[in-house]
Amino acid sequence: AQTVTQSQPEMSVQEAETVTLSCTYDTSESNYYLFWYKQPPSRQMILVIRQEAYKQQNATENRFSVNFQKAAKSFSLKISDSQLGDTAMYFCAFTTGANSKLTFGKGITLSVRP
Amino acid sequence: GAGVSQSPRYKVAKRGQDVALRCDPISGHVSLFWYQQALGQGPEFLTYFQNEAQLDKSGLPSDRFFAERPEGSVSTLKIQRTQQEDSAVYLCASSSSGSMSEQFFGPGTRLTVL
Repeated sequence: AQTVTQSQPEMSVQEAETVTLSCTYDTSESNYYLFWYKQPPSRQMILVIRQEAYKQQNATENRFSVNFQKAAKSFSLKISDSQLGDTAMYFCAFTTGANSKLTFGKGITLSVRP
Repeated sequence: GAGVSQSPRYKVAKRGQDVALRCDPISGHVSLFWYQQALGQGPEFLTYFQNEAQLDKSGLPSDRFFAERPEGSVSTLKIQRTQQEDSAVYLCASSSSGSMSEQFFGPGTRLTVL
């Protein structure tokens, strides 16, 4: 079975600080994609960042970066210079490409304090 | 259209009623996905279409759930004889191909079964 685990239900960070959200996954596939999605209170899910499993270089998108440890099956998200607009639920997800369905973790609620 | 749209945004049904939820994907997107998101949880896969073909319906929780996409664009998720456990947000997502391209999500339909 393919699973995604997000063990931290909630986190809080001061504005302008850095925060790291953890995620582990389990799969027997060798090729897959990993994602972090953001879901603000309005509930529209937005892609934050994507990582291809075959790439060793960690993905970066502006203030967002990942620490991808393939052997450990770990995929954490680092948010630098946190902003109030980063307040949302964050979901880790992956797909093996069989039919591209996403398997999500339970999510983490991130609150950015002013 | 700018993005994926879903209607209605909110639906209240009495137990035993049938409901139909609509998804309008981004124009030209080949792949369409339905997910169910229970309160405080991550989305769970229901079914997947590539054009008009339903390639995977392994996530549909019972035979009361039925989805269609007859012309390869708009999709409808139908739930017959709704039960309280069907209460959730139903998310639709589309992507430009069946590969690992980004899935764009709609705002969801919040279904409450009384």
